[in-house]
Amino acid sequence: KAGVTQTPRYLIKTRGQQVTLSCSPISGHRSVSWYQQTPGQGLQFLFEYFSETQRNKGNFPGRFSGRQFSNSRSEMNVSTLELGDSALYLCASSGGQGTGEQYFGPGTRLTVT
Amino acid sequence: QKEVEQNSGPLSVPEGAIASLNCTYSDRGSQSFFWYRQYSGKSPELIMFIYSNGDKEDGRFTAQLNKASQYVSLLIRDSQPSDSATYLCAAPLWGGYNKLIFGAGTRLAVHP
Repeated sequence: KAGVTQTPRYLIKTRGQQVTLSCSPISGHRSVSWYQQTPGQGLQFLFEYFSETQRNKGNFPGRFSGRQFSNSRSEMNVSTLELGDSALYLCASSGGQGTGEQYFGPGTRLTVT
Repeated sequence: QKEVEQNSGPLSVPEGAIASLNCTYSDRGSQSFFWYRQYSGKSPELIMFIYSNGDKEDGRFTAQLNKASQYVSLLIRDSQPSDSATYLCAAPLWGGYNKLIFGAGTRLAVHP
């Protein structure tokens, strides 16, 4: 079974621009969660989508948004980029079997200059 | 806000020894815990999860949970240099399983 895929793997943007990241979960998984990882803050939860609905959201500003499509693929968008948005963005898929295991994709490394 | 605490390390152990990684959590309502391994430059990989008090073994890995003490640990037996990585402890945030709060991670170095 193929794992979680994320595109692009690397991205360089300028302050003020916006960016869209994509995630395809493991086949059959309906839950997709997004995390931000930085050296200073570690891994932090952004939001989770299940069946095209955002179920939960972390403590991030409204510049961070996402959506999920009917095939469970998910995108996250960051508008008006700031230098502090430079991070590794990870998505994780879960099968919703109730045991809570999440499987991470390789991540997208975003650099904001 | 639930918190998950880990010693950042580095924890250095010789090859073949047992590595013991510890994690404490603040929310007594936490029911499940996950251990992830993250190699430098890579994404986290799930290696163990535990829900019940006591021990859970999987190959060289043993997870231990003590809910009364709000403590969860990961033991790695016969440590190998390939085990050198950062180990992240995680517990779900309120409201469901699919929102994890992570500890800062413990760096493990296994030297030959």
